[in-house]
Amino acid sequence: QQQVKQSPQSLIVQKGGIPIINCAYENTAFDYFPWYQQFPGKGPALLIAIRPDVSEKKEGRFTISFNKSAKQFSLHIMDSQPGDSATYFCAASVVGGTASKLTFGTGTRLQVTL
Amino acid sequence: NAGVTQTPKFQVLKTGQSMTLQCAQDMNHEYMSWYRQDPGMGLRLIHYSVGAGITDQGEVPNGYNVSRSTTEDFPLRLLSAAPSQTSVYFCASSYPTGEAFFGQGTRLTVV
Repeated sequence: QQQVKQSPQSLIVQKGGIPIINCAYENTAFDYFPWYQQFPGKGPALLIAIRPDVSEKKEGRFTISFNKSAKQFSLHIMDSQPGDSATYFCAASVVGGTASKLTFGTGTRLQVTL
Repeated sequence: NAGVTQTPKFQVLKTGQSMTLQCAQDMNHEYMSWYRQDPGMGLRLIHYSVGAGITDQGEVPNGYNVSRSTTEDFPLRLLSAAPSQTSVYFCASSYPTGEAFFGQGTRLTVV
């Protein structure tokens, strides 16, 4: 049973565009929602994360929007650059005693063209 | 600052062989975990630990063993390798708040 569903699988945008990646979750106990960026041959790296007490969080060009009632959250990349080309994963977990247990989406391969 | 270090980076095993994937962290995190990454499936949790001497199973634990004798180290053992265990393996260590740091991965091929 996939608890975190991510879409789209792949995305191509032009430089300066705003790619949007969406995730939906099922487990209402989740209270931590991170996004990870992964370049080929590397491990995932934390990009930005949000908790369910806020509806939006911005860090630089990256924004998470969170809709608790719909059990959905999304990543927006403003003014996208070719260097943003990577695979992006959403994830969810319950912090505290099970902070190690991240449930990941299946990933979105983003390509930013010139 | 090394963060999370995994060894080896690449490994080829024959079916039935056993091996240990090493993971070490220098951030003094209590929480550590192992994931496998397969195309189109994201990362799936194999085993995790909330402190030295405490481990538990994740989503896909069959065929793998772990132990945690120190805070720093969390090795993953493949008992009898099978082709279905061909994957990229990632170790992570985490703050209690959930922020996780991943190693560079071990690419394992079982023939």
